[in-house]
Amino acid sequence: DVKVTQSSRYLVKRTGEKVFLECVQDMDHENMFWYRQDPGLGLRLIYFSYDVKMKEKGDIPEGYSVSREKKERFSLILESASTNQTSMYLCASRGGLLETQYFGPGTRLLVL
Amino acid sequence: QKEVEQDPGPLSVPEGAIVSLNCTYSNSAFQYFMWYRQYSRKGPELLMYTYSSGNKEDGRFTAQVDKSSKYISLFIRDSQPSDSATYLCAMSFGNEKLTFGTGTRLTIIP
Repeated sequence: DVKVTQSSRYLVKRTGEKVFLECVQDMDHENMFWYRQDPGLGLRLIYFSYDVKMKEKGDIPEGYSVSREKKERFSLILESASTNQTSMYLCASRGGLLETQYFGPGTRLLVL
Repeated sequence: QKEVEQDPGPLSVPEGAIVSLNCTYSNSAFQYFMWYRQYSRKGPELLMYTYSSGNKEDGRFTAQVDKSSKYISLFIRDSQPSDSATYLCAMSFGNEKLTFGTGTRLTIIP
């Protein structure tokens, strides 16, 4: 089974803090993704990566950056957290026979 | 207008009933169609995957795609309380990006 893990299930941070969200997949997938999920808005793509050190902006990249130094790890960085970044953050990797996306359990971030 | 429209619900049905969940979309270039199930406070998990038009059945679940109407459906037969979750439709052109519906929250009442 594909396993996608995220470093934290719940995080509470203060406005202005730098926040790191880590994601690791164990299936040697090349493609990885970061989404945020908000009620009524669904899943919105923040950034994705095709390969190590490669990154592409998604639909809502403002206020975020990413890092992919190793194939299995994809990090999302909030440079200066703001209250409107309070959300559920979901990481996914893409691969397998169906070439579809497999999600991690999510990180619920609260910015105070 | 959103590319993918999905009724957010909530939808409540009695145990054993047939459930019908639907999405409409506007971009006729979508080729791959998926349904994800998301339990509360968990990540989405892939439930059904179909390519182009037609039906696909897996146990109690049937996915239908009607490309001429730009309409996809997920049917759940003999619904169980364990089916209570949010169901997300997703679709793609065949590249890496998926476009998601907002999800329908489903509750099966014992």
